[in-house]
Amino acid sequence: KNEVEQSPQNLTAQEGEFITINCSYSVGISALHWLQQHPGGGIVSLFMLSSGKKKHGRLIATINIQEKHSSLHITASHPRDSAVYICAVRSVETSGSRLTFGEGTQLTVNP
Amino acid sequence: DGGITQSPKYLFRKEGQNVTLSCEQNLNHDAMYWYRQDPGQGLRLIYYSQIVNDFQKGDIAEGYSVSREKKESFPLTVTSAQKNPTAFYLCASSIVPGRLTEAFFGQGTRLTVV
Repeated sequence: KNEVEQSPQNLTAQEGEFITINCSYSVGISALHWLQQHPGGGIVSLFMLSSGKKKHGRLIATINIQEKHSSLHITASHPRDSAVYICAVRSVETSGSRLTFGEGTQLTVNP
Repeated sequence: DGGITQSPKYLFRKEGQNVTLSCEQNLNHDAMYWYRQDPGQGLRLIYYSQIVNDFQKGDIAEGYSVSREKKESFPLTVTSAQKNPTAFYLCASSIVPGRLTEAFFGQGTRLTVV
């Protein structure tokens, strides 16, 4: 079983829909990242969380440390949100700032 | 602007040849990382370096080598010993470990070995 599991693997939505991507992890962590990978491959860091909730524009990320679960929400989705969204955790057991990554969620938003 | 630069974006090599992927950062980050991404799999750590002149193997280091002679640069060599080198390679950096930091990623290099 992977230490980081994302769901769903693939998600197709219509423009304007509210989107939720989930991430569950099985290790103790010091931080969780949400990343966005564009079709060309480049990755952008969206959020880093250690507790609670963060919001940036139409993106909201939440984390529940006790339940070892995080969600990424996109409000009023747009075709330009189409990308792979990756959850990554920094485990307290590993040295340095090594990250363990989920397999990613491919999001497609249709106009 | 600060950031990480990987070059080239696309790289083709013949089987049996070594190839070196470049990664440069001007963020003054101590830690740098190389990841490999294959279809349907999460990013996997190849090598990482927490300080100049020091680096450690990640989860899939076999067939790869790195150097960290300068803080800004962390080149990755894909050797002929790597059995399946065709993949997407990502470089990342972060501030000294132990502090809550964001990881910065390069744009990636897609290596195709023919």
